Amino acid sequence: AQSVAQPEDQVNVAEGNPLTVKCTYSVSGNPYLFWYVQYPNRGLQFLLKYITGDNLVKGSYGFEAEFNKSQTSFHLKKPSALVSDSALYFCAVRSGGSYIPTFGRGTSLIVHP
Amino acid sequence: SQTIHQWPATLVQPVGSPLSLECTVEGTSNPNLYWYRQAAGRGLQLLFYSVGIGQISSEVPQNLSASRPQDRQFILSSKKLLLSDSGFYLCAWSGRGMWNNQPQHFGDGTRLSIL
Repeated sequence: AQSVAQPEDQVNVAEGNPLTVKCTYSVSGNPYLFWYVQYPNRGLQFLLKYITGDNLVKGSYGFEAEFNKSQTSFHLKKPSALVSDSALYFCAVRSGGSYIPTFGRGTSLIVHP
Repeated sequence: SQTIHQWPATLVQPVGSPLSLECTVEGTSNPNLYWYRQAAGRGLQLLFYSVGIGQISSEVPQNLSASRPQDRQFILSSKKLLLSDSGFYLCAWSGRGMWNNQPQHFGDGTRLSIL
């Protein structure tokens, strides 16, 4: 079985400040971890993934995520938030033997000017 | 490059009417294909997935069905829509990486309202 938790429904941050969107997971075996972003009335867009290797993964639009195996976490980060980063963010996990990822419920990021 | 097309973008249908939503992928072959529904509460519900032509797996029992008549075409259907079928329907594809570690790529969705 696999599961994902995004403990915050909403994250508020001021423009220019660093942001973190949290994600913890549970999976049998090695995890494949993904972050996606969704803007209003659009589909999800892939941001970055962790498969193996370096624990710090860099992705699109200046986002990065840190894989922490001991804490089973994969938090999304950005050093300096933009108002245009305001959107819904989803974390997803998949085990190596599955075609089906499990998504978190999503975190709404609001960046204030 | 690969692209995914979903149509229509919005649809308003009366209760009891049929439904057909179409999704096509370009620029890749033999993709895994998925249909999701996203309710207003935000979470994604997997409805169907397919690993090949004519191979459909259903995740949730309901009055919807899916078909994959061609490698890169995925269709979501219903014979009689219910009010509870309202929502935002998303099609997605993923490549066949050796270890199944490929991300999904989503279409822009169909917003379905049932009256």
